[in-house]
Amino acid sequence: QSALTQPASVSGSPGQSITISCTGTSSDVGGYNYVSWYQQHPGKAPKLMIYDVSNRPSGLSNRFSGSKSGNTASLTISGLQAEDEADYYCSSYTSSSTYVFGTGTKVTVL
Amino acid sequence: EVQLVESGGGLVQPGRSLRLSCAASGFTFDDYAMHWVRQAPGKGLEWVSGISLNRRSIGYADSVKGRFTISRDNAKSSLYLQMNSLRAEDTALYYCAKAFLTTAYFDLWGRGTLVTVSS
Repeated sequence: QSALTQPASVSGSPGQSITISCTGTSSDVGGYNYVSWYQQHPGKAPKLMIYDVSNRPSGLSNRFSGSKSGNTASLTISGLQAEDEADYYCSSYTSSSTYVFGTGTKVTVL
Repeated sequence: EVQLVESGGGLVQPGRSLRLSCAASGFTFDDYAMHWVRQAPGKGLEWVSGISLNRRSIGYADSVKGRFTISRDNAKSSLYLQMNSLRAEDTALYYCAKAFLTTAYFDLWGRGTLVTVSS
């Protein structure tokens, strides 16, 4: 199972919106509405940000949103803030009953 | 407080074995599938293995199939990963993570335990 493809880095200024893409295949991203997104700050454990493509965990800022079209899922961060600077990973359930993560995207707040 | 605490990591020679543990607290362990996810130094996340709440469904990444065995003890609220025939490429921080019932996302992660495979 190959890792899902994400851009290595995305940057934006405070207040701006950025979008991170996550491209897979019809056997993972395209085949199921089971895409999730995780934020990881340096030296910390990953934190769930979006589940089932577009749902936010209770208490999470609505600046984070998710969507999917075909084999590509996306995470959008609006109103970018300094604390959003972190690594972001997508994940999908697969047709093999396993899970695959994306290659990871480093978000930089300029 | 809901938490997952991994232990059992360390330095091990190639070909040897190691058993990781994950102690769960603050939630009903029986209601959650459990997973192991690893992260090699400076690299991305890799799903390793998962086990359903009733142990009937177990899955492994191709990279560890036949070498690693996942198990759980619901009475002890604990998750385990038996790792045999370890290779240098198994060097990573190993996280345990929980997933409610049959959901397909990991809603809480532990802080990880580091496994280093080297001679």
